[in-house]
Amino acid sequence: QEQLQESGPGLVKPSETLSLTCTVSGGSLSFHYWSWIRQPAGKGLEWIGRIYYVGNTDYNPSLKSRVTMAVDTSKNQFSLKVRSVTAEDTAVYYCARTYGEGYGLDVWGQGTTVTVSS
Amino acid sequence: NVMTQSPLSLPVTPGEPASISCRSSQSLLHSNGHNYLDWYVQKPGQSPQLLIYLGSTRASGVPDRFSGVGSGTDFTLKISRVEAEDVGVYYCMQPLHTPLYTFGQGTKLEIK
Repeated sequence: QEQLQESGPGLVKPSETLSLTCTVSGGSLSFHYWSWIRQPAGKGLEWIGRIYYVGNTDYNPSLKSRVTMAVDTSKNQFSLKVRSVTAEDTAVYYCARTYGEGYGLDVWGQGTTVTVSS
Repeated sequence: NVMTQSPLSLPVTPGEPASISCRSSQSLLHSNGHNYLDWYVQKPGQSPQLLIYLGSTRASGVPDRFSGVGSGTDFTLKISRVEAEDVGVYYCMQPLHTPLYTFGQGTKLEIK
């Protein structure tokens, strides 16, 4: 059973860069899409972007100018960086897998809370 | 692309049916004949989990009391008999148009 685990700092200062890593266990990055989704407290889900295992990316236009995703197949990990963060970036961040186009986000991490505050 | 769900709050008596509507501002019918529409549930304190993909295909392990219907721009998630464990927030999501993976606002299902 494939599992995803997010990791990274829980507190980031305004204007700095938020960096998270998602580690995949029990499976491989290969041939799947890997997404980041976030959820501010008490609010809905916002897709941040996705990366294919070979490195192709798609980003939400609303965040595209500040976001970078990367994949490290040797470590079975993929990562997210969000630059120039503000309080509006405070949220629970989830990583998730799409098995293939149209097959849904079928495996999710437990989520990690990131707070942007000085 | 904008996804609009209704109702936003849904109180249901156990054993009764329930329906959640999701409308897309663009057609989700792919040229391959499939509708690119997913349904998720986020139970209290948990990560979201996939219920339905391609409009009507249940994900692995999802009880058959859950069904997805619809095509094009209008979709419905149906629960034939609500159980206490179904409490949570239900989201529809489209993975076809930019921005990819657009979610609806969520529908909170609660037990009466």
